[in-house]
Amino acid sequence: GEDVEQSLFLSVREGDSSVINCTYTDSSSTYLYWYKQEPGAGLQLLTYIFSNMDMKQDQRLTVLLNKKDKHLSLRIADTQTGDSAIYFCAEALTGFQKLVFGTGTRLLVSP
Amino acid sequence: DSGVTQTPKHLITATGQRVTLRCSPRSGDLSVYWYQQSLDQGLQFLIQYYNGEERAKGNILERFSAQQFPDLHSELNLSSLELGDSALYFCASSGTSYEQFFGPGTRLTVL
Repeated sequence: GEDVEQSLFLSVREGDSSVINCTYTDSSSTYLYWYKQEPGAGLQLLTYIFSNMDMKQDQRLTVLLNKKDKHLSLRIADTQTGDSAIYFCAEALTGFQKLVFGTGTRLLVSP
Repeated sequence: DSGVTQTPKHLITATGQRVTLRCSPRSGDLSVYWYQQSLDQGLQFLIQYYNGEERAKGNILERFSAQQFPDLHSELNLSSLELGDSALYFCASSGTSYEQFFGPGTRLTVL
């Protein structure tokens, strides 16, 4: 079945690294995504990873995928106050492009 | 700016009414998706259209319908509105890649 889980809240200090975790249940997931949602705004695509990859790095963002454990993480290096937002992971299943979203993790960055 | 536009930004209406939400995809994108974001259900996929044809259906109520026009814009029609239909409605579009780009959303309030 389709189920994506995330912890609800993460608080870090400016300059620290943030790690947001996600677990998914469907082994037929092809692509996994991270989106950012700021208050009152839409969803901004941050990065995505194909299921045959273990890691993807894009500037301050590092995505790690453990397919065996169905675990995805997003690491934000040198976290800034502007990174405060809700972060959603999502999976796309084979044959479909619809996205199944997690519950979202609210990241709070304090100065 | 994702390139996906949605109108209106806000919509306030009464129970039992019917509304139409409009979405223009990014230039060249053939696929349009509709999602609903509510506090109790989170982000849920409603329906996908590809080049005018319905491609996939999610948790879309029978009171809701959508279509995609020859110019590729899409409309989501919500009828017999109930209080529980109050939510943010997002449209997303994608082209040949698996990236989905989201619009800013329409906030629907049913009183």
